[in-house]
Amino acid sequence: DAKTTQPTSMDCAEGRAANLPCNHSTISGNEYVYWYRQIHSQGPQYIIHGLKNNETNEMASLIITEDRKSSTLILPHATLRDTAVYYCIVRDLNAGGTSYGKLTFGQGTILTVHP
Amino acid sequence: GAVVSQHPSRVICKSGTSVKIECRSLDFQATTMFWYRQFPKQSLMLMATSNEGSKATYEQGVEKDKFLINHASLTLSTLTVTSAHPEDSSFYICSASRDREFFGPGTRLTVL
Repeated sequence: DAKTTQPTSMDCAEGRAANLPCNHSTISGNEYVYWYRQIHSQGPQYIIHGLKNNETNEMASLIITEDRKSSTLILPHATLRDTAVYYCIVRDLNAGGTSYGKLTFGQGTILTVHP
Repeated sequence: GAVVSQHPSRVICKSGTSVKIECRSLDFQATTMFWYRQFPKQSLMLMATSNEGSKATYEQGVEKDKFLINHASLTLSTLTVTSAHPEDSSFYICSASRDREFFGPGTRLTVL
């Protein structure tokens, strides 16, 4: 079972910031928070990941609460092409030597960016 | 970012035939690849973990004799759907692991 809960859907106006929440109250100390998105009929695309500290890259920012039980993905200036399903996933990056913990996808948040 | 390819992107076959899907990691060596299946309007479901040089690990409820996985090299994993039936029609996606998962574009399988 997925270890995260996300709202089913969200809307955002083009050019505005999109803030997507995720709850992961049972996260353990060695689990990272990953965000992926999937545009219709394509493979998922990596967005960002983090452990404790807030992270930012060219696509988005990730804000993780101090207790690590929730996080928010921020798309600073949403465009129509950001319309997709956004998945928040917790994953153990140190699962046994060189093998990585598997990703368990929940239902994600359908983000619709409108003009 | 790293590139993972899948071939074919789309396949239509008759019931009872077998279909092979290839997943290639184009610019890094992947000791571990994953295979997912996605039905319409549903999330991705992990089918199996493919480890180079060893047997695949299948998730509960996935028939290993029906979904044959071969990870013959560090850049190639194949999934063969044997004796395909209409209920096997789905979107099959692979991923290769490095510091993160890099996903292929998916293969749309339609079994008539």
